[in-house]
Amino acid sequence: QVQLQESGPGLVKPSETLSLTCTVSGGSMRSYYWIWIRQPPGKGLEWIGCIYYSGSTNYNSFLESRVTISVDTSKNQIFLRLSSVTAADTAVYYCARGGVNAPLLPDNWGQGILVTVSS
Amino acid sequence: QSALTQPASVSGSPGQSITISCTGTSSDVGGYNYVSWYQQHPGKAPKVMIYDVSNRPSGVSNRFSGSKSGNTASLTISGLQAEDEADYYCNSYTSSSTLVVFGGGTKLTVL
Repeated sequence: QVQLQESGPGLVKPSETLSLTCTVSGGSMRSYYWIWIRQPPGKGLEWIGCIYYSGSTNYNSFLESRVTISVDTSKNQIFLRLSSVTAADTAVYYCARGGVNAPLLPDNWGQGILVTVSS
Repeated sequence: QSALTQPASVSGSPGQSITISCTGTSSDVGGYNYVSWYQQHPGKAPKVMIYDVSNRPSGVSNRFSGSKSGNTASLTISGLQAEDEADYYCNSYTSSSTLVVFGGGTKLTVL
């Protein structure tokens, strides 16, 4: 069973860039999409974007101007960068693997990492 | 961003069945056979319970079932158990620029 683990700073200052890493273990990254999703405290889920193992990306248009997702298959890692953050970007950030038939919908999630935007 | 519409809360007694609805439009739920349902316990990551409208991943109890009619998808849990108490979210592809849309979530209480 593939496992995903998010890592990165838990505190980011307003206007700075949030950078997270997702490390994949127990399975291959090939032929899958890899997804970032976030959940503000006490609120629902928001799809941020995804990347195919080969590097092609799709982003939520509401965040597209600030988001960059990249991949390093040699290290089994996916990266998320979100620029110009505000308090509204405070959330638990999850990485997930996409499904087989619906690759943009997550079927296997990491445990998540809370990122707080505050000075 | 327009979310899929779910009831804020549902409840049931142990052993009963409940159904959670997820209503969208022909641009999302009604237009694709790609609806997933997730269970989330407090402080935990979501877990997929149903994918592709009605398929159950291995290891998920057959008490969980999914269906779709028109623009509304449904998750049914039969033989309710205390461990089923959690938040449940649906999601779907959408033809809008957001690509994927989630429901607002439903809190299931087992009385």
